[in-house]
Amino acid sequence: DTGVSQDPRHKITKRGQNVTFRCDPISEHNRLYWYRQTLGQGPEFLTYFQNEAQLEKSRLLSDRFSAERPKGSFSTLEIQRTEQGDSAMYLCASSPLGTGVDYGYTFGSGTRLTVV
Amino acid sequence: GENVEQHPSTLSVQEGDSAVIKCTYSDSASNYFPWYKQELGKRPQLIIDIRSNVGEKKDQRIAVTLNKTAKHFSLHITETQPEDSAVYFCAASIMDSSYKLIFGSGTRLLVRP
Repeated sequence: DTGVSQDPRHKITKRGQNVTFRCDPISEHNRLYWYRQTLGQGPEFLTYFQNEAQLEKSRLLSDRFSAERPKGSFSTLEIQRTEQGDSAMYLCASSPLGTGVDYGYTFGSGTRLTVV
Repeated sequence: GENVEQHPSTLSVQEGDSAVIKCTYSDSASNYFPWYKQELGKRPQLIIDIRSNVGEKKDQRIAVTLNKTAKHFSLHITETQPEDSAVYFCAASIMDSSYKLIFGSGTRLLVRP
């Protein structure tokens, strides 16, 4: 386990279709985050899990978006009825829980979504 | 909620010169401030971070300073090299809470050989 893995790396979909992305965090990391990054901007927080519990959701996460982390390991992010405005890089990150020295996130390489 | 502003949006320096990127934050409860480097098409990578109980931190050619009173923090890169060229993001967070990061809009640094 060398890092955070995301699949797929790229996804092109037609407007109105549903898409699902997967994130496999670092195995000992309890916290898992989803961010969205559009071109030329910093990542924007979408949602956060601690183990299997989804503890916070951004207002950016409309009702077309849903995220799960059923067993506290991998997570999925689903977008229903995609719109062109959903085109972005979707980044997953994980971090350890606790008050240890290392608070740094580890980001995955992201899934680039293009809605045509 | 927290808002982070970052300046400048682009920065061009000659190799060997220093580069400084500045960020301000709005939420006085924020207590953790990481900096990320993102090369084109790659993931953001943590390069240095600072907590609110520290005013300055240095790691080789990179340093970060924090002014809690003014709510701003800065990244300093000395003796810049062409491989430092990338987009740099500052962020702010509240440790022991959700620990979500609020990012600045990024600074594109170009180091001219």
